[in-house]
Amino acid sequence: ETGVTQSPTHLIKTRGQQVTLRCSSQSGHNTVSWYQQALGQGPQFIFQYYREEENGRGNFPPRFSGLQFPNYSSELNVNALELDDSALYLCASSPDRATEAFFGQGTRLTVV
Amino acid sequence: SQQGEEDPQALSIQEGENATMNCSYKTSINNLQWYRQNSGRGLVHLILIRSNEREKHSGRLRVTLDTSKKSSSLLITASRAADTASYFCAPGGNNRLAFGKGNQVVVIP
Repeated sequence: ETGVTQSPTHLIKTRGQQVTLRCSSQSGHNTVSWYQQALGQGPQFIFQYYREEENGRGNFPPRFSGLQFPNYSSELNVNALELDDSALYLCASSPDRATEAFFGQGTRLTVV
Repeated sequence: SQQGEEDPQALSIQEGENATMNCSYKTSINNLQWYRQNSGRGLVHLILIRSNEREKHSGRLRVTLDTSKKSSSLLITASRAADTASYFCAPGGNNRLAFGKGNQVVVIP
C-alpha cells in the first residue's frame, strides 16, 4: 500500500457530462501528478501540482483541469466527456517534484 | 522525446529463470525509474537510478544505466509467478514521468 487513495474506483458517465476524480496524497507529500492510461498503453502525463500551483502540463486539452488543496489532496476535473476519455486515471504523490512517485490504485472511467 | 521505450514488449519465462528488460530514451535525464503494474491497477515504484549512477540493486532487482547510450536495463533474478506484471521505465527528472508502453512479463510456474 502506498498511502495514496483515489475515489471512486469505478465510474460510468455519459458523453458530454462532467466528472471529478479525487486523490488523497501520502502524508508529507507536497506534489501530486495525474496520469491517463488507455487500455494497452503506458500512463500519459496530464499535469502536476506542487504546493497548490500547477507545475507542468502534458498534451491534454483545457477541459482537463485540476486543483490541489492546502492539505495536498487533489482533484481532476474533466468537462464535456468524450468516448476517448475512457481510461484508467492514476494519481501519484511525491515528497518533491523530481523524486519517486507513489501511485494510487486508479479510477476506471468509462464514457458511454 | 523523453519517453521510455521498452524492449522486448512481451516476455514469457519459466519460474526461477532471470528476466531482463531494456529501456531506451532520447534526451538527457536526471534520473530513470522503473515501475511494475499488476492487472491494470496502480503502479508500484521499484527503483530510481540517478544519472550519475551506473548500477543499483534492490532485492532481486538489478538496474543499470548507460547515459552515453541512453539506455537502461532491469534484471529480475530467480523470477517467481508473482513477478507476472507489466514493467515500465520512466526517464525523468523534471516534473513528469514519460512512460513507454511497457514490458508484459509472464512467469510460468
